[in-house]
Order: sequence, then structure tokens, then C-alpha cells
Amino acid sequence: AQSVTQLGSHVSVSEGALVLLRCNYSSSVPPYLFWYVQYPNQGLQLLLKYTSAATLVKGINGFEAEFKKSETSFHLTKPSAHMSDAAEYFCAVIPFSGGYNKLIFGAGTRLAVHP
Amino acid sequence: NAGVTQTPKFQVLKTGQSMTLQCAQDMNHEYMSWYRQDPGMGLRLIHYSVGAGITDQGEVPNGYNVSRSTTEDFPLRLLSAAPSQTSVYFCASSWASNQPQHFGDGTRLSIL
Repeated sequence: AQSVTQLGSHVSVSEGALVLLRCNYSSSVPPYLFWYVQYPNQGLQLLLKYTSAATLVKGINGFEAEFKKSETSFHLTKPSAHMSDAAEYFCAVIPFSGGYNKLIFGAGTRLAVHP
Repeated sequence: NAGVTQTPKFQVLKTGQSMTLQCAQDMNHEYMSWYRQDPGMGLRLIHYSVGAGITDQGEVPNGYNVSRSTTEDFPLRLLSAAPSQTSVYFCASSWASNQPQHFGDGTRLSIL
């Protein structure tokens, strides 16, 4: 079965530092890949999506992610963290299994940004 | 444009009670889903629908029922609430099977 692994349930960075959130998926066929962000007491908001058009995907709020087939990874990065980036981030995949898009989520990474 | 609207936002139930969580979307999306979010487990799919009159089970369907009589609405029913169903519930919709899902703000449910 398809699975998504996010390394590190909590990540803490200083304001202005690089943000790197890791995501690995298990599939022999590259699936559709997504990053979502969840701010406190809110629903999930799409940050970016990979649909095979380009390996480097740019999203909202300065985030981007690089798809690496050889590593089955889709890590999320931002060059300079801002206090407003503090939130929980979820990596998710839709496997190429046909039928309905059963979105499979990782366990999430909570990002803390300190001054 | 409201997007996906969930009601209520908070609810406390006693064990054994039943209730319905409401979800409505105004984007004319065919695909709708219900998820539950528990700490350290991400979101898990409860039930989903690919159109009016068509529903199916997800990963954790036990204790929940759904129906889809219209494109806009997709209610989730708890038949006999149990403490294990204490969670945050999210409804989502999308216009195609491989497109990003739009999420509501969630319903925070506590079962005593």
C-alpha cells in the first residue's frame, strides 16, 4: 500500500533561516504529490502540487518543492523563514491506482519559527 | 465565495448519542470526502463520494455513515458516539479525481 513518511514531527528554525521539511513516498510509479499547510484552528490549505510537468514546483508564500524520482522524495523548502510560517505541514499523495483520488497523508511536521 | 462550509465548529457529545456533521460546498465539485485528524496520524479518510448518489468507504469507516443526495451536501453521521471518535473532522471537495482538494475549517468533536 502507498505510504508517505515525513521525517521529523517537529522542526524548529530561526527567523531568516532555511526551512527544509522532508517527505518520502513509497511507490514504483510517481504519484501526484502535494504539500498542504494548516494554521491553528483552521483547515488545510494547498501550498503546491506536483503533477509531472516539472521537477521543481513553486508554491505560495515563497515555498517550493523538488521531486526526485530516484530518491522517492518531495522535500519542501523555503530560503528564509518568517514568523508567519509557523504551522503544521502535511505531505500527501494520490497514487496512480485509478478511480477516486484517495489522498494519503503523512503524519505532519510542526514548524516553529523563533526570533 | 464560501468554498467548503462545515457545521458545527465544536460539539460535545455523550457516549451513545448520535449526531450529524454537516458539509456543504458551492463549487459544483463532484468529489467530496470526510477525514478525521488525530495527533501524530495525519488525516485519515472515513468516507468519500464521487457524485450524487455514489459513496464508498475509506480507511476508517466503522461507526460512520454518509449519504449524498445532492452535489452540494455530504453529511457525516455518527450512529452511536464512542470516546474513540473524539477528533477533528474535515470535509473536502475537488472537481476531478487527481486535483487538489479544498478543505473546510473542521468540526472539533469531543465524546465524553
